[in-house]
Amino acid sequence: QVQLVQSGAEVKKPGASVKVSCKASGYTFTGDYMHWVRQAPGQGLEWVGWINTKSGDTIYSRRYQGRVTMTRDTSISTVYMELNSLRFDDTAVYYCARGGLSDYWGQGTLVTVSS
Amino acid sequence: DIQMTQSPSSLSASVGDRVTITCRASQSISTYLSWFQQKPGKAPKLLIYAASNLQRGVPSRFSGSGSGTDFTLTISTLQPEDFATYYCQQSYSTPPTFGQGVRVDIK
Repeated sequence: QVQLVQSGAEVKKPGASVKVSCKASGYTFTGDYMHWVRQAPGQGLEWVGWINTKSGDTIYSRRYQGRVTMTRDTSISTVYMELNSLRFDDTAVYYCARGGLSDYWGQGTLVTVSS
Repeated sequence: DIQMTQSPSSLSASVGDRVTITCRASQSISTYLSWFQQKPGKAPKLLIYAASNLQRGVPSRFSGSGSGTDFTLTISTLQPEDFATYYCQQSYSTPPTFGQGVRVDIK
């Protein structure tokens, strides 16, 4: 069965970087895009960007352009999202979601930015 | 960016009620519209894609309709497990955008 398993919660200081991973299984990893979506505490869903897992091409939200980098390692069916220059308002749960339909989601990774 | 607006912002309903949530796009998105359900502390779950197609495994009491700018999610007979927040999302253009969500709670 399709599974997306994300890395564990992180606590970071303002200005630091965080790298979240999402390991896929149960389907052909390079057959679909992977989105990253975030959700601040008590707020709605916000798209961060996506990566073409076959080519490595990426498209990022203008809001995060310059601070976010998405990569993938096809040998271990894993995508990564790195967010730099963290601010307090980057505190959120970050989700990976498969493909154009976002039909499968990871369990979410809480990133807390705190001094 | 395409703005997605959901209404109402929240609603209270009883088990057995028929519930309708609407989603309006700021420009035409054809039928590039999905609906997600999210329960507290959980990841969103895809319910409907392409405006009216039921995702595999989703109960048939959920249905979607609409095209262009106006869309509807209907729960025909609300069940206890349906109390959650519902989001629409357009995938017509990049960036994909979500509505603000509609919380459905117990009356």
